[in-house]
Amino acid sequence: NAGVTQTPKFRVLKTGQSMTLLCAQDMNHEYMYWYRQDPGMGLRLIHYSVGEGTTAKGEVPDGYNVSRLKKQNFLLGLESAAPSQTSVYFCASTDYLSSYNEQFFGPGTRLTVL
Amino acid sequence: KNEVEQSPQNLTAQEGEFITINCSYSVGISALHWLQQHPGGGIVSLFMLSSGKKKHGRLIATINIQEKHSSLHITASHPRDSAVYICAVRSETSGSRLTFGEGTQLTVNP
Repeated sequence: NAGVTQTPKFRVLKTGQSMTLLCAQDMNHEYMYWYRQDPGMGLRLIHYSVGEGTTAKGEVPDGYNVSRLKKQNFLLGLESAAPSQTSVYFCASTDYLSSYNEQFFGPGTRLTVL
Repeated sequence: KNEVEQSPQNLTAQEGEFITINCSYSVGISALHWLQQHPGGGIVSLFMLSSGKKKHGRLIATINIQEKHSSLHITASHPRDSAVYICAVRSETSGSRLTFGEGTQLTVNP
């Protein structure tokens, strides 16, 4: 099993460009999350999904959109990138209904917006 | 004030030392997680606690629900323990969502 994978690993954008980050998991998890990690701050939730076809806003959703068309994939879109979106982005998934409900994290995507 | 506060922010130890990292939170929780972020950036889950104490190898995690406090202990520390340790809580009202502390950067010198 690959667990949680993220594509791409690194990306540099110019202000105003758009891009999509892909998260894929092969553990049949219902719940998936997108976080951003910035220096001096904890991981912050951008958007999350509790199942195929559903999405919800997290703590810092502005400037991002998401889609969960297939259970195994969770896409994060930046329509018009801004320097404030320079960050490391992590995707995670969990089997929330299990007794343990560990979150499994992807390796991260380092995004720089110039 | 953050909902989840960790201390210390940075910790340097000599190999073999006993290490304690603390986490305090301000909301009612259903679970608390300890995670480890490797120097390369990958994040793995170490423990999930809702009460008491758990042990895995040289790692011990404890939680005091009444005092809203958890500790992560590392016995006989080793340079390979060098990483960022992150505390996260699942509040009683947040469903599956976690709120994270800022992390504690641990460096263990040989």
